[in-house]
Amino acid sequence: EAQVTQNPRYLITVTGKKLTVTCSQNMNHEYMSWYRQDPGLGLRQIYYSMNVEVTDKGDVPEGYKVSRKEKRNFPLILESPSPNQTSLYFCASSPPRDSGELFFGEGSRLTVL
Amino acid sequence: GQNIDQPTEMTATEGAIVQINCTYQTSGFNGLFWYQQHAGEAPTFLSYNVLDGLEEKGRFSSFLSRSKGYSYLLLKELQMKDSASYLCAVKDSNYQLIWGAGTKLIIKP
Repeated sequence: EAQVTQNPRYLITVTGKKLTVTCSQNMNHEYMSWYRQDPGLGLRQIYYSMNVEVTDKGDVPEGYKVSRKEKRNFPLILESPSPNQTSLYFCASSPPRDSGELFFGEGSRLTVL
Repeated sequence: GQNIDQPTEMTATEGAIVQINCTYQTSGFNGLFWYQQHAGEAPTFLSYNVLDGLEEKGRFSSFLSRSKGYSYLLLKELQMKDSASYLCAVKDSNYQLIWGAGTKLIIKP
């Protein structure tokens, strides 16, 4: 089954404790992206990757890091989480065509205390 | 700056028709997408428009006017399961998606 898998789905952590949210897709998509979604603000892009070893900042990259060492994986790293990073996070991937729709993971709800 | 505008919330009756509007101002245009998102779930793809006109897909249709920077999503024969947020997104000249904040659609029996 074609899918984007994120882990963990839910996480409560404390300020400053490094964490990684993993994302894996099995559709051989070049493009992958991370979003955060907050009430009233819609989806905001954190980072995206056009292919292996190619990553770029989105609209809200501060406090986040990513890597793309393999095509299927695109982990999101919070080196020192803060309460303002409490949010719902989505990973997504898409095929390399203009009409390429985004396939989203199920989301990771992160709470930073 | 780039901007996508959609109504925050709409209410409609089961069995009726509803039109959700989206206006956009972006640097370039390479297509417009509509996604559906149920509460607490991931967005799922509904439609893609790149040329002017109407695209019909079952009970859902999407319209685009590039000269007016305008699109709408039309939902017919509304069902309770259509209660969700509907997200409009535009691909700009850099092929990056610009997202609207979404329209929460409430369906009443």
